[in-house]
Amino acid sequence: TAGITQAPTSQILAAGRSMTLRCTQDMRHNAMYWYRQDLGLGLRLIHYSNTAGTTGKGEVPDGYSVSRANTDDFPLTLASAVPSQTSVYFCASSGASGGQDTQYFGPGTRLTVL
Amino acid sequence: GQNIDQPTEMTATEGAIVQINCTYQTSGFNGLFWYQQHAGEAPTFLSYNVLDGLEEKGRFSSFLSRSKGYSYLLLKELQMKDSASYLCAVEDSNYQLIWGAGTKLIIKP
Repeated sequence: TAGITQAPTSQILAAGRSMTLRCTQDMRHNAMYWYRQDLGLGLRLIHYSNTAGTTGKGEVPDGYSVSRANTDDFPLTLASAVPSQTSVYFCASSGASGGQDTQYFGPGTRLTVL
Repeated sequence: GQNIDQPTEMTATEGAIVQINCTYQTSGFNGLFWYQQHAGEAPTFLSYNVLDGLEEKGRFSSFLSRSKGYSYLLLKELQMKDSASYLCAVEDSNYQLIWGAGTKLIIKP
């Protein structure tokens, strides 16, 4: 089974350009999450979705937007990239939001903004 | 504020035992997770604790003391493949995971 897939694997982006990071899961999980991981810091939640049609802001939402049109897909968009958005981005999903449900992670997207 | 503390790096010998500590201060507590992350890869789930005590799963065990805001991950019979970062995460009152920065474990032959 594929689990969670992310695309692209890596990307170099010019500052000011927009980009959408894709995330698809085939586990029929209700909840999905976007994190960024930077050296020396813990994973930080950008946005989340408890179920299709709903989204919420995490710890570091500024400069990012998400949508959840269906259960499987949860794209993350950077409208106008800045160098501080250089990071590794992980998408995750869980059967439910909260309540002891394990989060499963995609392979990540390494983004460099120049 | 919310805070998860773990040692930055630890070194251990193949075949030995190592304990990785995690202390936390969060707004509420709904459980504590440990994940393993090999370099360049995604985090993968290791264990979950919500009640005080020890949870054993093969070579790995995880302990929780909610009154002390403390957990540890115990790895026995260390193998070279255990070289990885180990991430501690607490589920807060909003059911969001708050993550520590991770402990990089280096295994030497």
